[in-house]
Amino acid sequence: KNEVEQSPQNLTAQEGEFITINCSYSVGISALHWLQQHPGGGIVSLFMLSSGKKKHGRLIATINIQEKHSSLHITASHPRDSAVYICARPGTASKLTFGTGTRLQVTL
Amino acid sequence: GAVVSQHPSWVICKSGTSVKIECRSLDFQATTMFWYRQFPKQSLMLMATSNEGSKATYEQGVEKDKFLINHASLTLSTLTVTSAHPEDSSFYICSAPPIANPHNEQFFGPGTRLTVL
Repeated sequence: KNEVEQSPQNLTAQEGEFITINCSYSVGISALHWLQQHPGGGIVSLFMLSSGKKKHGRLIATINIQEKHSSLHITASHPRDSAVYICARPGTASKLTFGTGTRLQVTL
Repeated sequence: GAVVSQHPSWVICKSGTSVKIECRSLDFQATTMFWYRQFPKQSLMLMATSNEGSKATYEQGVEKDKFLINHASLTLSTLTVTSAHPEDSSFYICSAPPIANPHNEQFFGPGTRLTVL
């Protein structure tokens, strides 16, 4: 069992829909990363959060450290949001343990 | 945000040749850089941790003589795939946490797509 689990694995949404991607982890952490990987392969760090909620544009990330759970929300989704979204927890010496990823496809 | 570059962005080589991939932190210093490999539709797999001024630490199952890592300065790490074979074809990505990193940040390079013929 992966230390970091994501759901769903695949998600198809229509443009404009509100999207939620979930991440749960088994080991206690102080922070969690949300990453975005576009079809070209490059990875962008979206959020690094340790408590509460962060918002950037249409993206919102929340985390509950006690419940070992985080969510990434996308409001008013758009085809350009189509990507793989990955949560990752930092470990010893900054090593990251990655979730399985959620492949999002937003259609017109 | 901080920038990490990789060069080349893609490379095609013949079987048996060696390929060097560079990872540079452009506006920050990093004593540690990480090298990952990713096969199509799969997760990132950590290959090794590059340590400035000392030997790299390899993950289990990764051959250190095949994937040579050199972290020559606080802004540059290189991964050399020696005697490349078609099964080494993959997407290679590096990441680097800044030295002063109170928020546990990490920055990723854009990746290098290696195709071995």
